[in-house]
Amino acid sequence: AQTVTQSQPEMSVQEAETVTLSCTYDTSESDYYLFWYKQPPSRQMILVIRQEAYKQQNATENRFSVNFQKAAKSFSLKISDSQLGDAAMYFCAYRGGFANAGKSTFGDGTTLTVKP
Amino acid sequence: NAGVMQNPRHLVRRRGQEARLRCSPMKGHSHVYWYRQLPEEGLKFMVYLQKENIIDESGMPKERFSAEFPKEGPSILRIQQVVRGDSAAYFCASSSGTSETQYFGPGTRLLVL
Repeated sequence: AQTVTQSQPEMSVQEAETVTLSCTYDTSESDYYLFWYKQPPSRQMILVIRQEAYKQQNATENRFSVNFQKAAKSFSLKISDSQLGDAAMYFCAYRGGFANAGKSTFGDGTTLTVKP
Repeated sequence: NAGVMQNPRHLVRRRGQEARLRCSPMKGHSHVYWYRQLPEEGLKFMVYLQKENIIDESGMPKERFSAEFPKEGPSILRIQQVVRGDSAAYFCASSSGTSETQYFGPGTRLLVL
């Protein structure tokens, strides 16, 4: 079974600085998808970024980028120029390829605090 | 284009009652997924449905829980004879295809007294 591990329960960053959230996963599949979701105090799950495993290029979305290391099964999220609105719980998620498509497996989350 | 809708947003039930949670997917989406989030934990997959079919229910408790996604109308997650341990946030997500991104609704917070 696939597992997702987020080893940092809590992280903090100064406003305008950069922070990296870690995520590792375990799978025997070669085709899969990885996601980072943000959950603010409202508890709405908001998609931050998506990475297809077959793509070598790291995904980026404005201030958010990932470092995807397929061989190491690592998928970290970098937030640049942190803003107060970035404060939230961040979840890393894995979704399998065709044979196991559908369900996503989530890590336990990292709570990010942004200090003014 | 409205997002994924869930209702009610908050639901209070006494032990032994039934809870019915509804999810309307985004327009054009025919794939629905239910997840449960216990306090201080990540989301745990429960069930994956397409119209009129259950595709994967490997995360669904064997008793008291059921889900459907009829041809017309929203998807329903039904919990019979609720117990205190059922208290959680239940999230629904939808996608346009199996490999497509899942978009989440705002969740239903179930509290069992």
